[in-house]
Amino acid sequence: DVKVTQSSRYLVKRTGEKVFLECVQDMDHENMFWYRQDPGLGLRLIYFSYDVKMKEKGDIPEGYSVSREKKERFSLILESASTNQTSMYLCASSSPGLSAELFFGSGTQLSVL
Amino acid sequence: AQRVTQPEKLLSVFKGAPVELKCNYSYSGSPELFWYVQYSRQRLQLLLRHISRESIKGFTADLNKGETSFHLKKPFAQEEDSAMYYCALIRGSTLGRLYFGRGTQLTVWP
Repeated sequence: DVKVTQSSRYLVKRTGEKVFLECVQDMDHENMFWYRQDPGLGLRLIYFSYDVKMKEKGDIPEGYSVSREKKERFSLILESASTNQTSMYLCASSSPGLSAELFFGSGTQLSVL
Repeated sequence: AQRVTQPEKLLSVFKGAPVELKCNYSYSGSPELFWYVQYSRQRLQLLLRHISRESIKGFTADLNKGETSFHLKKPFAQEEDSAMYYCALIRGSTLGRLYFGRGTQLTVWP
């Protein structure tokens, strides 16, 4: 059973703090993704990675960076958290291929005060 | 540019009634299309993909290239179908990157 694990279910941070969201998958997937999920806006892709040390910007990368030093781990970094980054963050992984299924983590609800 | 459009944010039906969740896409090539579902307090998960031509939990979806649609249908809705449904698309050149619609919250009343 594929497992995508996000380190925190709930996180509360203050404006200006540096925030790390961690994601680990155990299925040796090449692809990993970070989405944010907001009511009425659906899922928007922040960053994705096709391989170790490789990253690609998604639709809303501003204010975020990522790190993929190991195949199983994909970290999302908020350099200086702002209130408009309060959201549900979803990590996902998949194998390469057009029909590959995305496996999602259970999400991290981040509140920036 | 909005590549996947789900025109209904909310959809309510009674148990036993037919349900159709609409999805339209914009892509000139040959897309791969999917429906993902998120039940309350559960992870987002794949429901079905058009290439498999399968029926999952009684749901089917047919790709209509002429109308650029991939509507999700079920003839008799059940209360346990209540969930958020997302339509998603992979374009041929994007190596696994999914573009999601904004989602439709389905409520099935008893």
